[in-house]
Amino acid sequence: NAGVMQNPRHLVRRRGQEARLRCSPMKGHSHVYWYRQLPEEGLKFMVYLQKENIIDESGMPKERFSAEFPKEGPSILRIQQVVRGDSAAYFCASSPAPDSSLSYEQYFGPGTRLTVT
Amino acid sequence: AQKVTQAQTEISVVEKEDVTLDCVYETRDTTYYLFWYKQPPSGELVFLIRRNSFDEQNEISGRYSWNFQKSTSSFNFTITASQVVDSAVYFCALRGTGANSKLTFGKGITLSVRP
Repeated sequence: NAGVMQNPRHLVRRRGQEARLRCSPMKGHSHVYWYRQLPEEGLKFMVYLQKENIIDESGMPKERFSAEFPKEGPSILRIQQVVRGDSAAYFCASSPAPDSSLSYEQYFGPGTRLTVT
Repeated sequence: AQKVTQAQTEISVVEKEDVTLDCVYETRDTTYYLFWYKQPPSGELVFLIRRNSFDEQNEISGRYSWNFQKSTSSFNFTITASQVVDSAVYFCALRGTGANSKLTFGKGITLSVRP
């Protein structure tokens, strides 16, 4: 069973461009979480999604950031008009449905390192 | 609101020393989960342990041990006979249930083990 996949692993964007980060959850997982790790800081929650539904977006910046988890395909974290302050590592985690006996476990992907030049 | 405090920011020890990483948490949930993750220089997050709020039994895994004390809201992590490969950033995290299932992380402790 493959783990959580994230791509690309490294992404370089110029200021003003768009960044798209992809996360493929583990097989059978229907819940995805996105976290951001700014340089020299801990991880901060951004958004929690279920397929076709946003459960909690309390950690998402109000502008330029959006996330989706369609019925088919990976979850996408989209950052429009990137700025240097968006440079960070973005981690995705997935978990089974809440009624699963293992619903409290989150499995992390390897992260995407975004650099904005 | 949930909060995790890792008061220590950097710890440096010599190989074979024991070291304890502290973690204090705050939550109003009656059911919650506590975690420790390791982030080596390569950057990935390595899961170390999960503890349920209703299970205060301490755990030992090889050179690693964890002390969960609900009375003091602490979940401390001890590495016995540290090794250079233990050098990493260690994060303590707290998770609620249902819609509050996001992980709240502490700021992390950078552990350096010198040969």
